[in-house]
Amino acid sequence: NAGVMQNPRHLVRRRGQEARLRCSPMKGHSHVYWYRQLPEEGLKFMVYLQKENIIDESGMPKERFSAEFPKEGPSILRIQQVVRGDSAAYFCASSTGPGQEYSGYTFGSGTRLTVV
Amino acid sequence: SQKIEQNSEALNIQEGKTATLTCNYTNYSPAYLQWYRQDPGRGPVFLLLIRENEKEKRKERLKVTFDTTLKQSLFHITASQPADSATYLCARSGTGANNLFFGTGTRLTVIP
Repeated sequence: NAGVMQNPRHLVRRRGQEARLRCSPMKGHSHVYWYRQLPEEGLKFMVYLQKENIIDESGMPKERFSAEFPKEGPSILRIQQVVRGDSAAYFCASSTGPGQEYSGYTFGSGTRLTVV
Repeated sequence: SQKIEQNSEALNIQEGKTATLTCNYTNYSPAYLQWYRQDPGRGPVFLLLIRENEKEKRKERLKVTFDTTLKQSLFHITASQPADSATYLCARSGTGANNLFFGTGTRLTVIP
């Protein structure tokens, strides 16, 4: 039973290019979350999605960033026209949702984005 | 705003001792508090969840408490080992809201 799969593990982009980060949730999980982590800083919430719906995007920058979780396929975090400040580790997590079965998030290993 | 704070950035303890990490929250009482472990270059790993109506939760050498009066959770690792060295993250969530908001973490080093 594979956990949360993120790819690529490392991504290098030049300033102005687009970055696409993919996340396949754990089997049986219908909730997906994206977080950003800068060196020596905590995890910052970006967006929470369920299939075909964005539930909360309050942590997402208003420009250049978008996320989706289509009916089929992985969740995608897309960063357009990347800048150096976008360099960070981006983590995806999945969960079953609140309730008795709720047992925390399962995180992927992250995508390390470097903008040169 | 709803803050969650972990008091110590770093904690060093001797092998065999009990490590105690603190997490404080402000402005509202979360439905859950959760604790995660993160190793360098890896994603966080879920350890324990405690609900607001629970005082204490245990799992092997780990114990978590939740004090809604003090607005605080304590995370204990008993009989600590060098392999317990990692960053430990506290996170809060709210009833009906599935988002988790993380503290900045405490980096624990267990000295042999």
